[in-house]
Amino acid sequence: EAGVVQSPRYKIIEKKQPVAFWCNPISGHNTLYWYRQNLGQGPELLIRYENEEAVDDSQLPKDRFSAERLKGVDSTLKIQPAELGDSAVYLCASSGWSGSANNEQFFGPGTRLTVL
Amino acid sequence: AQTVTQSQPEMSVQEAETVTLSCTYDTSESDYYLFWYKQPPSRQMILVIRQEAYKQQNATENRFSVNFQKAAKSFSLKISDSQLGDAAMYFCAYREAGNMLTFGGGTRLMVKP
Repeated sequence: EAGVVQSPRYKIIEKKQPVAFWCNPISGHNTLYWYRQNLGQGPELLIRYENEEAVDDSQLPKDRFSAERLKGVDSTLKIQPAELGDSAVYLCASSGWSGSANNEQFFGPGTRLTVL
Repeated sequence: AQTVTQSQPEMSVQEAETVTLSCTYDTSESDYYLFWYKQPPSRQMILVIRQEAYKQQNATENRFSVNFQKAAKSFSLKISDSQLGDAAMYFCAYREAGNMLTFGGGTRLMVKP
């Protein structure tokens, strides 16, 4: 069974440019998460989807960040325009329904973004 | 808000020896879950071990075990017979049912041959 797939693995852009990250969760997983991991720190949640609905986006900087999961399967996270401080690893994870006490989040390999 | 603290930025262990990584957390809840994740240079977060707060028995997975002290809000990870492949960043994480993972800042484990 394939795990969580993310692309690209690496992205280097200049500030003020747009960038997009793509995630395909494990088949059958209703819940999809986007995390940001700054260098030397633990991941922090940006947004959580239950199927196609964003149910927790309180940590998403909405002035420049957007996300979508139109058909409740794969998801795209976009930054426009990117700033120097956006340099980080962006991790995607998926799980069964997050209301279940016994779910486990499976993580993708992440996208390392460098903003110059 | 829940917080998770890992006070050891780096730890080092000799191959085949035992090492313990520390984690403390803050919560007012009684029902929650604690996790240790491993993140090698490939960046893939891998679940190492989990503990349900309502269980008094400490979780064990092969060479990995935890010391869960609920009253002290402490959740340490013991790695026995350390192997070179254990070298990675280790993250302690907290989760309430239905809520998100809150991660600690991580501990970098180095294994010396």
